[in-house]
Amino acid sequence: SQQGEEDPQALSIQEGENATMNCSYKTSINNLQWYRQNSGRGLVHLILIRSNEREKHSGRLRVTLDTSKKSSSLLITASRAADTASYFCATDFYSGNTPLVFGKGTRLSVIA
Amino acid sequence: DSGVTQTPKHLITATGQRVTLRCSPRSGDLSVYWYQQSLDQGLQFLIQYYNGEERAKGNILERFSAQQFPDLHSELNLSSLELGDSALYFCASSDPGRRPGYTFGSGTRLTVV
Repeated sequence: SQQGEEDPQALSIQEGENATMNCSYKTSINNLQWYRQNSGRGLVHLILIRSNEREKHSGRLRVTLDTSKKSSSLLITASRAADTASYFCATDFYSGNTPLVFGKGTRLSVIA
Repeated sequence: DSGVTQTPKHLITATGQRVTLRCSPRSGDLSVYWYQQSLDQGLQFLIQYYNGEERAKGNILERFSAQQFPDLHSELNLSSLELGDSALYFCASSDPGRRPGYTFGSGTRLTVV
């Protein structure tokens, strides 16, 4: 079963614009992660935010986490055509080696 | 190259057959995870191994089995294949003490005809 649900399912923007994707989850988490997948390729880890963190940055990526609302957002600033991909949030429930549960993803298209 | 190697990249087989997918984790990673990705179900967790032992089980069918060998590579065996088993199968490995998140392989695309 899916733990996280991304919203929107698909997003199309112009190059240079910002892209915002949201993720909602159902139960308490240890941390939340975002991954990118180029068409038919393996997923690539982007960023991890722990349950006691509210915001994290990595380059053009900004992730927020609101545990009271059980939601997270991923912001990509100044998007580029190369950012075109599917983006997934993933959560785990406990500390240590437990499997991540992925949402169904947001498909982002950045038009040059 | 992510460091996680999956073979083969593509596999076409007939219904009722059995196939084996292979995964070599990133050097030093003890945990290996198998996921199935299909268009309608998204990315589904199948099974996790840690240092040769099964650690967690997800939505893995009884027709599927896996193991992790002493050299830490893992194999996923799919038997009595059905059309609905057609999907991308991903292997991932992790070492939370060294880096966050999972490292995924490039996947095996299985087509059952």
